[in-house]
Amino acid sequence: DQQVKQNSPSLSVQEGRISILNCDYTNSMFDYFLWYKKYPAEGPTFLISISSIKDKNEDGRFTVFLNKSAKHLSLHIVPSQPGDSAVYFCAASALGPARQLTFGSGTQLTVLP
Amino acid sequence: GAGVSQSPSNKVTEKGKDVELRCDPISGHTALYWYRQSLGQGLEFLIYFQGNSAPDKSGLPSDRFSAERTGGSVSTLTIQRTQQEDSAVYLCASSSRTGGYNEQFFGPGTRLTVL
Repeated sequence: DQQVKQNSPSLSVQEGRISILNCDYTNSMFDYFLWYKKYPAEGPTFLISISSIKDKNEDGRFTVFLNKSAKHLSLHIVPSQPGDSAVYFCAASALGPARQLTFGSGTQLTVLP
Repeated sequence: GAGVSQSPSNKVTEKGKDVELRCDPISGHTALYWYRQSLGQGLEFLIYFQGNSAPDKSGLPSDRFSAERTGGSVSTLTIQRTQQEDSAVYLCASSSRTGGYNEQFFGPGTRLTVL
């Protein structure tokens, strides 16, 4: 049973436009959410995070929105750049000693020049 | 500064052999995690180390998998009697665990192929 779901395996966007990546979760114990970006043959790189006490967090071109009632979060990238082309993973963490991350299956973003 | 490093970057082995994968976390990070990513899947948690505490092994898929962390730093993930379904990218991450939340920093991974 997937607790974190990214239903779009791929997304193509024109350079300069907005990219919106979506993520749904089922575990109401999750209280911290993260987005990672991954290039081929590299490990995931942390991008942005949000705690469950907030509904928005912004860092430059990247904004994460959290809708707790819908158990949904999204990552907005604006303006999108060709260098943003990568696989984006949504991850969630619940309170507890380990705080291990539960990941979605990823969305391949392609930004077209 | 140095990030998380892993070795080897690639490992091809025959079914039934044992393999050891190594992780060097970021200096000073007390928390260390192992994950694996099978083809087309998200990352799957395997095991967690925090300081000198007993590890959280709840994600290990079978007793063929084990891990150690010596001196609170380097970690080794061992897979005994490898099976073809063990083929995956094995990723290590470390975290400073400051505050209640943890941003984990990942190494480049070891791609394991079991023939």
